[in-house]
Amino acid sequence: EIVMTQSPATLSVSPGERATLSCRASQSVSSNLAWYQQKPGQAPRLLIYGASTRATGIPARFSGSGSGTEFTLTISSLQSEDFAVYYCQQYNNWPSTFGQGTKVEIK
Amino acid sequence: QVQLVESGGGLVKPGGSLRLSCAASGFTFSDYYMSWIRQAPGKGLEWVSYISSSGSTIYYADSVKGRFTISRDNAKNSLYLQMNSLRAEDTAVYYCARDGWELHYWGQGTLVTVSS
Repeated sequence: EIVMTQSPATLSVSPGERATLSCRASQSVSSNLAWYQQKPGQAPRLLIYGASTRATGIPARFSGSGSGTEFTLTISSLQSEDFAVYYCQQYNNWPSTFGQGTKVEIK
Repeated sequence: QVQLVESGGGLVKPGGSLRLSCAASGFTFSDYYMSWIRQAPGKGLEWVSYISSSGSTIYYADSVKGRFTISRDNAKNSLYLQMNSLRAEDTAVYYCARDGWELHYWGQGTLVTVSS
């Protein structure tokens, strides 16, 4: 099973600032990597798939990069609605696995 | 618009059974892989199972293999998860989601609590 490790566990950011979230895979997952956002009491929402393709309706301030084992989600200018938990997911191998999440909180 | 609505969750004793359902609308259900993902209280996400569009390909997480069965009825636009021999560690919100890889649409989830 591929282990996905996200860092940091918690990221404190002021509104308007840039946030950079990392995700590392224990072995190569090519570009088969997705990012999700989850707010309390809600289902996750797909943000990015194929490592860098924004899902339908996702604002341009969200961007993804990387391939192989190292991936990054960047939120260019944090809005109030962006404070949430973010998960990465690899779907290169079964079982598909998720990272443990990064909580983005207001500084 | 795509809608996925789960039902069937509740409180069950260890060793008991429960059947979850997911009603799909807003897309051609028979064209898509479908998945079940769960989230224990305060924890992260775990992929439980997925099923191909025709039902011919099925995968399970090791943690549920032999106890859970995924199925679908394309005529009824519905996805199911039969859960047997339930354990305390199966307590979670269970989400159905469209697709078998990146998950574009999710239901709101149904809570399963396994406790005596």
